[in-house]
Amino acid sequence: EPEVTQTPSHQVTQMGQEVILRCVPISNHLYFYWYRQILGQKVEFLVSFYNNEISEKSEIFDDQFSVERPDGSNFTLKIRSTKLEDSAMYFCASSASWNQPQHFGDGTRLSIL
Amino acid sequence: GNSVTQMEGPVTLSEEAFLTINCTYTATGYPSLFWYVQYPGEGLQLLLKATKADDKGSNKGFEATYRKETTSFHLEKGSVQVSDSAVYFCALSSGGFKTIFGAGTRLFVKA
Repeated sequence: EPEVTQTPSHQVTQMGQEVILRCVPISNHLYFYWYRQILGQKVEFLVSFYNNEISEKSEIFDDQFSVERPDGSNFTLKIRSTKLEDSAMYFCASSASWNQPQHFGDGTRLSIL
Repeated sequence: GNSVTQMEGPVTLSEEAFLTINCTYTATGYPSLFWYVQYPGEGLQLLLKATKADDKGSNKGFEATYRKETTSFHLEKGSVQVSDSAVYFCALSSGGFKTIFGAGTRLFVKA
């Protein structure tokens, strides 16, 4: 069964540094998403992306965050200047259509020191 | 706004016991409802879904029925196994792009 893959599985970064989290969505999917899960808390929506633009974003997704689909297969989340509170598990997801179930990757654990 | 409330865990059961994890939702319109499962060290996997009232989603012995009158989507399984130990998330999607998750319920199944 096709999968969403995320790299790296664990990223450790100094506070203030930029970090890029990478995702390869399922190949025929058109909608892409990022979520995060702070340890012990809910899974929270960050952003959705369709047709090379952001379709919806949450209040968490401020100017420090950006997303990009640099080629036909990758979907990235960049955090420009990381803060301690950015430490979380970040999940990428994709779906065939906006009203179809989203398929999730295994996540990237981001640790900010 | 839209929200999902599910029972707090952890839930601890013996193997072959009956499982119910309660989930209620608040949403405008007619949401689609989901249960996702997260096994230790893994991502979120779609377990089952229901897209309209009275639909029953089922997979791997788990079931949930979309009850519009009670705004509920409770997860049930007749006989749990040790391998079912995981965190279970109730979720909804309603006319937008994002999926809204409940807080998750951790299930421990003892042999």
